[in-house]
Amino acid sequence: QSVLTQPPSASGTPGQRVTISCSGSSSNIGSNTVNWYQQLPGTAPKLLIYSNNQRPSGVPDRFSGSKSGTSASLAISGLQSEDEADYYCAAWDDSLSEKVFGTGTKVTVL
Amino acid sequence: QVQLVQSGAEVKKPGASVKVSCKASGYTFTSYGISWVRQAPGQGLEWMGWISAYNGNTNYAQKLQGRVTMTTDTSTSTAYMELRSLRSDDTAVYYCARVKGVAGPRRWFDPWGQGTLVTVSS
Repeated sequence: QSVLTQPPSASGTPGQRVTISCSGSSSNIGSNTVNWYQQLPGTAPKLLIYSNNQRPSGVPDRFSGSKSGTSASLAISGLQSEDEADYYCAAWDDSLSEKVFGTGTKVTVL
Repeated sequence: QVQLVQSGAEVKKPGASVKVSCKASGYTFTSYGISWVRQAPGQGLEWMGWISAYNGNTNYAQKLQGRVTMTTDTSTSTAYMELRSLRSDDTAVYYCARVKGVAGPRRWFDPWGQGTLVTVSS
């Protein structure tokens, strides 16, 4: 099972701010950087945030990431209908010597 | 543009093997690694392992050790993932993804291939 814990769902109306949490431990988030991926329905995942809070070129600045201790968060401000997707956090785990993913959060725009 | 194009869908019987390819273009293949990630129907993402396209070094998920082999062909900029002794719970979409750097699998995945559906059924 997944080592990183996310809420199964989150929702908001257009224009609202939505935050997704990712909880880990000292061996993963506590000692390594966090990445976030967006998976639109029926498509491959896409990199959204790397190194805790860096956005690749082309990713809107509505998306932001942060990390504190053994937890990380993804915030989507100015929510849009096209943001309806599954979101996954990921980090390297030093104890497992493996990349671990979060359980995933489905974002719904009401 | 940087692109990873994977081979087509496969249907296999339990106990068989499958080999999925991932052809890279738009960048220097040997300057990056490739990770493989799978996603069972309706489930989350599971990391399978990583290979350095520079020197062929690998790092596999403990769960798949002994059943999975990742290789590269630098002459064609193609990465391969072979999974043996297939079981029904190996049914999933298999993705390849480029990993920055060649020293190890810790970094982010960008971009991803389009995915290859592997169905294991008798």
